[in-house]
Amino acid sequence: GAVVSQHPSRVICKSGTSVKIECRSLDFQATTMFWYRQFPKQSLMLMATSNEGSKATYEQGVEKDKFLINHASLTLSTLTVTSAHPEDSSFYICSARDQQFSYEQYFGPGTRLTVT
Amino acid sequence: GDSVTQMEGPVTLSEEAFLTINCTYTATGYPSLFWYVQYPGEGLQLLLKATKADDKGSNKGFEATYRKETTSFHLEKGSVQVSDSAVYFCALSGDSSASKIIFGSGTRLSIRP
Repeated sequence: GAVVSQHPSRVICKSGTSVKIECRSLDFQATTMFWYRQFPKQSLMLMATSNEGSKATYEQGVEKDKFLINHASLTLSTLTVTSAHPEDSSFYICSARDQQFSYEQYFGPGTRLTVT
Repeated sequence: GDSVTQMEGPVTLSEEAFLTINCTYTATGYPSLFWYVQYPGEGLQLLLKATKADDKGSNKGFEATYRKETTSFHLEKGSVQVSDSAVYFCALSGDSSASKIIFGSGTRLSIRP
């Protein structure tokens, strides 16, 4: 149990286009999901906390107009990178919190975004 | 604020060697402590956790004990395998439902056959 999926696993897009990444909790309901960014050989940086049915809370320094987060249901959150640029190339990881049983976070496998 | 400090890598060991990766933390209250592992090209997997002082988390031969007196949560394994090669992250989460996970910088472990 407690599986989180991400789609796509890899995406290459051209500069100026937008890319949507999906994060799904497959076998549990997640009222809270988190989006992280990981640069090569570095730790995870929390970008935003996404609560179902409400606006996401962004960490300091993260542009909310560039990284659009939608948490429309208890099993799905999406991150849209708008007007992507090469510096947005990174590994994006989501996690979901199963509040029914614990406050532990379950992580998705990540999405590697390359902007050319 | 809360923070996690773990030993810098990379760490390179021979197969069957003893492993220790140090981790210390700073936090208010009573955080939960975690070790996550990230294999190449993949997301994070929870390796083990401890939720209160003196708890020992264990999984796949790895162990870590929550030491409140030294604010530490060192990861150990008695005999490493090549398949243990990965990046290991120490992390903490505060004692409220709104708490974020704070990650250490990660330690890259390479095991030679």
